[in-house]
Amino acid sequence: DTAVSQTPKYLVTQMGNDKSIKCEQNLGHDTMYWYKQDSKKFLKIMFSYNNKELIINETVPNRFSPKSPDKAHLNLHINSLELGDSAVYFCASSQSQVGETQYFGPGTRLLVL
Amino acid sequence: AQSVTQPDIHITVSEGASLELRCNYSYGATPYLFWYVQSPGQGLQLLLKYFSGDTLVQGIKGFEAEFKRSQSSFNLRKPSVHWSDAAEYFCAVGDNTDKLIFGTGTRLQVFP
Repeated sequence: DTAVSQTPKYLVTQMGNDKSIKCEQNLGHDTMYWYKQDSKKFLKIMFSYNNKELIINETVPNRFSPKSPDKAHLNLHINSLELGDSAVYFCASSQSQVGETQYFGPGTRLLVL
Repeated sequence: AQSVTQPDIHITVSEGASLELRCNYSYGATPYLFWYVQSPGQGLQLLLKYFSGDTLVQGIKGFEAEFKRSQSSFNLRKPSVHWSDAAEYFCAVGDNTDKLIFGTGTRLQVFP
């Protein structure tokens, strides 16, 4: 069974469109994250949620809106996509204790044309 | 603010050779340190982590890392590299907010 899953795996879209990426974890964790990996492989946290509550928001544009319907799911909605949004987006989850391991999903490769 | 530096962007080794990937961090308190590996087209997998206690940490796939507070380092080592170890390796530091700060990664290439 996949611990952290993301859909879709690939997403190709036009500038200006709105798209969503879904993430689900079956590990029973109460904290979930979104990371962005740019073309140079640099990984940076975007958001974290703990029990459906936003904990970390790393100065991400308002066009990005995470939504957590329950603690096993954290979706990422992106409005008015821009070329610079092209990246790999990783979802992760962990128990909400300092130093706990974060488990990553396989990533969603977003290409904005 | 915390930061992580991986000085080597790209390392090439022969299969069977030893490996050391460097990682230096900047953090005011005792850090939580991690090494993740990313195979091409895949997500990140934890190799090992340092939380407290013994400064030499054993991980999966025969990897180990040593935390040296005096040098602010957490270098990853493997005595004998296998071709399947070719991947991107990321060092990360965690703070008390569950946030991970990643280094820029080191790409490992293994020649037969």
